[in-house]
Order: sequence, then structure tokens, then C-alpha cells
Amino acid sequence: QKEVEQNSGPLSVPEGAIASLNCTYSDRVSQSFFWYRQYSGKSPELIMSIYSNGDKEDGRFTAQLNKASQYVSLLIRDSQPSDSATYLCAGAISNFGNEKLTFGTGTRLTIIP
Amino acid sequence: DAGITQSPRHKVTETGTPVTLRCHQTENHRYMYWYRQDPGHGLRLIHYSYGVKDTDKGEVSDGYSVSRSKTEDFLLTLESATSSQTSVYFCAISTLAEQPQHFGDGTRLSIL
Repeated sequence: QKEVEQNSGPLSVPEGAIASLNCTYSDRVSQSFFWYRQYSGKSPELIMSIYSNGDKEDGRFTAQLNKASQYVSLLIRDSQPSDSATYLCAGAISNFGNEKLTFGTGTRLTIIP
Repeated sequence: DAGITQSPRHKVTETGTPVTLRCHQTENHRYMYWYRQDPGHGLRLIHYSYGVKDTDKGEVSDGYSVSRSKTEDFLLTLESATSSQTSVYFCAISTLAEQPQHFGDGTRLSIL
């Protein structure tokens, strides 16, 4: 079992709707979680960090962390065609004081105009 | 990202040849990482460094070695390249281990 798991998609959402991306994680993953956006042929770009239980909002993006159920999600409101990309979920694994990130395989999101 | 430079950006080489990829940062971040990205596998950690001359293995370290003699440079070496090492390689940096990582533009490596 991978430490961080994502539905690979593709996920298609109409423009203006809410896109919901989900990620589950194993017991090995600690309390730091990150969402990255990656356009085709480009490098991953950090869009959200979340460290504590609950919701964190930044513009059209909301990250949600539920430690009891071991999932983290990303909501994108008012989806735009420019949101079409692959979204990577990452969680930190503690390794003798040096944390490492482990990534999900990514969810490909397509916003349909 | 202006603070991270990977070189070369593209490379084609033959099986059995040595290959070195370079990651250079201007941010003075302590942590540096090498990942490979392959379809269906996502990003996988090869090696990372938590300081000058301090390195550790990631989940896919076989066939790779690294060196970090200066804060700003982290080298990834394939001693004898194989076709299975054809991939896109990303370097990343972070200030602290628990802080988010920022990525370079990547190196597309093809081994024929």
C-alpha cells in the first residue's frame, strides 16, 4: 500500500463548478500535507499547505484535513480552464528527525468550458 | 523557479555511460532532494541531502549516487545508465524538513 493514495482520474468538471480532489494516507504519514499543481511538461508548483485538522482557505482553493479519517482534500471553487492540470498530494514521513515527502500519483483535472 | 537551476535540461545518452545531473540553488536552503517522475508512479524520491556532505537514500536509490560539497550544489550521478532510468528528474529544495519543497524545472533524460 502506498503511503499516499489518490484517484488518478481523469476528473472532468464544468467551468464555474467546484472541483473536489481527494487523497488518503497511511499511519506512517505525519501531520504536514501539501497540494501541488503540475501543468503538462512543467514542474510541480506548491498551491496549498495544511498542518492541522480542519479547513484552510486561500482564494478559490480550500484544503481540508481530517486526521481521524486520514484524508486530505482540495476544493477548487469557480473552476477555470486554467485549473486544468495534474494535482499532486504529498505528506511528510518522519525519518529520524529528517522528514521526507511522499507523493500520490496525482489526479488529472480537466475543466470543461 | 528562479532560485533553482537544473542542468542539463535535456540529455540523450547510451546504456552503460555515466551521467551527472546538477542542481544549483541560490536560496541557501539546507535541504535538497532528487526525484524521478514516471507515468503511473508519480514523484519518487531518489536521494536527499540535509546539509553539506550529509545525504540519505530515498525509495528508489539503486543505481544512483549523490554528492553535496557545497550548500548550493547537489549532484546526481548514474554510474552506468540503464534504459530503466529514462525519466524526468526533478530537484527540490526546502528550508526545513517539514516545510514545503520547491522544484526546479526538471531534466528530461533518455537512455537508449
